[in-house]
Amino acid sequence: GDSVTQMEGPVTLSEEAFLTINCTYTATGYPSLFWYVQYPGEGLQLLLKATKADDKGSNKGFEATYRKETTSFHLEKGSVQVSDSAVYFCALRPYNNNDMRFGAGTRLTVKP
Amino acid sequence: GAVVSQHPSRVICKSGTSVKIECRSLDFQATTMFWYRQFPKKSLMLMATSNEGSKATYEQGVEKDKFLINHASLTLSTLTVTSAHPEDSSFYICSARDRFNRNQPQHFGDGTRLSIL
Repeated sequence: GDSVTQMEGPVTLSEEAFLTINCTYTATGYPSLFWYVQYPGEGLQLLLKATKADDKGSNKGFEATYRKETTSFHLEKGSVQVSDSAVYFCALRPYNNNDMRFGAGTRLTVKP
Repeated sequence: GAVVSQHPSRVICKSGTSVKIECRSLDFQATTMFWYRQFPKKSLMLMATSNEGSKATYEQGVEKDKFLINHASLTLSTLTVTSAHPEDSSFYICSARDRFNRNQPQHFGDGTRLSIL
């Protein structure tokens, strides 16, 4: 079935460092792809999304490009801040379904 | 933007009691809501899909009699953990899909942390 494989953490970076969190997927057809962020003790917040190949989702300095040829949706940010410390989930919604498939999550800690 | 309210945010109770968790869509109607469970430092696991006016669809391995789901209106779904035991302790998250914007992402609640003593 459709699934997501996400780089496992934890990831620890210094403030202003470059961030990449890898995400690859396996799917039938053309899924929609998402990145969610979960701050400590909270639920999930949608960070960005892409619904078709070559789409780039972006929000709050984060970006991810839907790459069909490599079945990837890597999350990047050029300069992380302490406030970016959270758990990041890559997710997929199959084209013919309603539910979501989540990656294992990557815990990011940014140190001052 | 679209908001999903989940209540309570945290509950601590004794083993053997039943706990009800509510998931409300505040500014949109949801014919479909989803219930997830998240173990510590793990990803979200879909437990069931809640369908307004009909029976919920449970994922394989999820006990229907243990986790009762009711979706009685277009804005409310409830999850009742019956006769809860310590192994049921977890973080439960609901999400809802806007019935008139079906291609939009699901909107998530803030989660309920359930601790069974």
